[in-house]
This record gives sequence, C-alpha cells and structure tokens, in this order.
Amino acid sequence: GESVGLHLPTLSVQEGDNSIINCAYSNSASDYFIWYKQESGKGPQFIIDIRSNMDKRQGQRVTVLLNKTVKHLSLQIAATQPGDSAVYFCAENSDMRFGAGTRLTVKP
Amino acid sequence: DTGVSQNPRHKITKRGQNVTFRCDPISEHNRLYWYRQTLGQGPEFLTYFQNEAQLEKSRLLSDRFSAERPKGSFSTLEIQRTEQGDSAMYLCASSLGGGVGKYNEQFFGPGTRLTVL
Repeated sequence: GESVGLHLPTLSVQEGDNSIINCAYSNSASDYFIWYKQESGKGPQFIIDIRSNMDKRQGQRVTVLLNKTVKHLSLQIAATQPGDSAVYFCAENSDMRFGAGTRLTVKP
Repeated sequence: DTGVSQNPRHKITKRGQNVTFRCDPISEHNRLYWYRQTLGQGPEFLTYFQNEAQLEKSRLLSDRFSAERPKGSFSTLEIQRTEQGDSAMYLCASSLGGGVGKYNEQFFGPGTRLTVL
C-alpha cells in the first residue's frame, strides 16, 4: 500500500505486506529529517533519520528515501506487522515542523 | 526508567484557572522542547531550551504561556487564564545538542493531557 502524504492521511495494509508512507517537506534548506511513530496515548518515538547528503538509509525493516529534487521523503516498512499500526510523522529540521501524519492500520 | 517524564499525565481545569506542567528530560540531554498536539494533528512546536536558555518561541506561545528551565534540568510550562482552546496534549522532548541545526533525535515524554472545561 502507498499513501500520498497529507492528502491521504490513512493507509490500510494487510499483515505481511510492505507499506510506503510519503511526506512532502517545505524547506529546500532542510538538511536533516526524522520519521517518528506515535501509538495511541503515547508520545512520538524515533524510527529513523536521514541527512541531506544521503538518498537512502536502512534500518531494521524500515527504509527512508530522500528525494531532494522534489522535496519528498518516504518511509518503507517491510513485512508490516500489527504492532506497526500507529500514526507516522516526518519532521524536518528547518523549523521543527511536523506534518499531520499518516495513520497506518495493519489488518491481520 | 531513564526516559523523559511528564507530570501530571492528565489535568482537568476550569476556564480561567492557571495550570503548570513539569517535564524531566533525560539527564544528559541539554536541549528540551515543548509541543502541543491536538487530536488528529501532528505536534506543534511551542518553544525550546538549550540548557537554561530559552532559544526560540513559536508564535503559538501567547503571553498566557510561559516556560522555564531554571537550572538547565527540568522544565515547567505554565498556562495562565486557561481557555477551552488550550485543551490539548502537551508534549515534552529532550535531545543532545550540537548536531545539525536545531534538530536532533528527540526523545518524547508521554505528554500531559489538558482539558479545560
């Protein structure tokens, strides 16, 4: 499944599928980006970050892709699990701005 | 648990009353941030400290809001003459400074949920 940032704030996928969450950032001068996961009733939790001198960074089951040309960031989650259900935010360092987020729901 | 803690976790108050929230960051973190989050929205930046110095305040932080970090450790956020529009989750985060720009990996607390009746 794939979302288109703020225009599609919800994403529903089957357990085991890969998920792609997108984010468009605003400031071309931003040089550091973070993805956060927020579960219900909790504060955001760091997932992965990327600096602007990189196009891709991989973590455990997560990959972040950065396209500076179009100011676009994506978070890929491999083999999505029910525990991945949460709201995902991207944040950029230019002004500590968070987007509204994308709610990921994983169906068993 | 050595994470960020916030107290109280929930606060219900009547319009016009003053409220104060406390945040205890991770001990070695020199940066501390306050955010406000309403339902269905991302966190909105309010202010941040480097040690005891308040380095930036958002336009969202009206004159009724004041934040302090007197000794560079814990911080308080006070809202005077609360209004119903102040009802939100108030999140605190801390980080190690010295990285790129103002932003480094932030560790968030569980938040204080404020309800103004």
